[in-house]
This record gives sequence, structure tokens and C-alpha cells, in this order.
Amino acid sequence: GQQLNQSPQSMFIQEGEDVSMNCTSSSIFNTWLWYKQDPGEGPVLLIALYKAGELTSNGRLTAQFGITRKDSFLNISASIPSDVGIYFCAGRPFSGTYKYIFGTGTRLKVLA
Amino acid sequence: NAGVTQTPKFQVLKTGQSMTLQCAQDMNHNSMYWYRQDPGMGLRLIYYSASEGTTDKGEVPNGYNVSRLNKREFSLRLESAAPSQTSVYFCASRPPGRGINEQYFGPGTRLTVT
Repeated sequence: GQQLNQSPQSMFIQEGEDVSMNCTSSSIFNTWLWYKQDPGEGPVLLIALYKAGELTSNGRLTAQFGITRKDSFLNISASIPSDVGIYFCAGRPFSGTYKYIFGTGTRLKVLA
Repeated sequence: NAGVTQTPKFQVLKTGQSMTLQCAQDMNHNSMYWYRQDPGMGLRLIYYSASEGTTDKGEVPNGYNVSRLNKREFSLRLESAAPSQTSVYFCASRPPGRGINEQYFGPGTRLTVT
């Protein structure tokens, strides 16, 4: 099945640094969603994007819906230890059904 | 408001056994989904239900059946479990409304088939 290309797969950063990750697709989407998943827990929705070019923030998190509709970016500013986890994107194609395609995740580790 | 709840949280089955994973949401959502999550792969859709009384196959439906019991509940059944079905299973729901595409997930069921 179709999956999104999410990068990087993992990253180690120092506390206080900014983080960037992205997802790309060969298909165009009408929605991009960004989630965070902690070990042993379900994914938690961070940001939802609905329009090409849209830039949305949630605290220290900022996400953008790419102009081509084939990509999206998530930035975390001034990272803190509790930002540790797996971040993944999801996109909804213009298919007429409410099915979603998920990225494989970016594993973030923050070094204090 | 508990959101999306799933039971059980953990389960170990032997090959050939059957079980039903339960999911319920109290947010008055119409659409509900079952996914499986395996290492190194994105979430993969097993089945989804756009509304009460309707279900549709997703990407990996083989070996599973579902029941949309009512608007709140959407169960996933494994009739004859196989080791390949060892995975973490997530239920999700989507709010009603045209153009609202957010999904909200439950805490997951961790299933091991030996």
C-alpha cells in the first residue's frame, strides 16, 4: 500500500535546539495531520492542516502544508526532554473516501 | 469525556484462537477505524466504518472481521489468530462534518500470537 516518505527516521538533538522533519508523497492531499506517540500509548494529534501553504502553530510546534500539496513540515522550537517520542504524519488523499496514509515516523531523542 | 477507549490493553493468544478487540468512543463521531502498527511501518488500515451500519475494507483486511454495533462501538474480530497478526492495534474515530478530517486514536491493544 501507499506510504509516505518521512524523514529523518531518527534524530538526536540537544535540549534547546530546534527540530525539523518532513513528509513527502507522490499523491496530492487535501489534509495533513501530525501526531506524537509516546511508548506504549496511542498517537496524539498535534496539528491539522487543510489548505496548501497553511502554517499552523501549537505552542512550540509549527507545521506547514506544502504548496504542491505533496509535502508537509513540522518544526519544534527550543526542544525539551518531554519532546522525546515518535512523530508521524498522515495525509488524506483526494480520493472521496475517508482513508488516510501514514508515514513511518521520526524518532526524536533529546539529550539534556 | 473519555475519548476513544480500547479493551483489552494486552492479550496473548495461541495460534488458532479467536478473540474480539473492543473499541468505543463517546464523542458522537460517525466514522471509526481499525489500524495495525508494526515496527518500521506506518499505520495500516484494516477496516473502517463511515457510519453506523456500514463497514469497508482497508489495506490489510484478511484474517479480520468487524462489527459496527452502534454509533459508539466498533469491534475487531480475529477468527483464527496467526503469528503474523502479532501487532499493536489502534482504533480511531473522526468527527462528523464535511471537511473535518482529524482522527483521534485510542490507547491501543498489544496482541501477541504464539
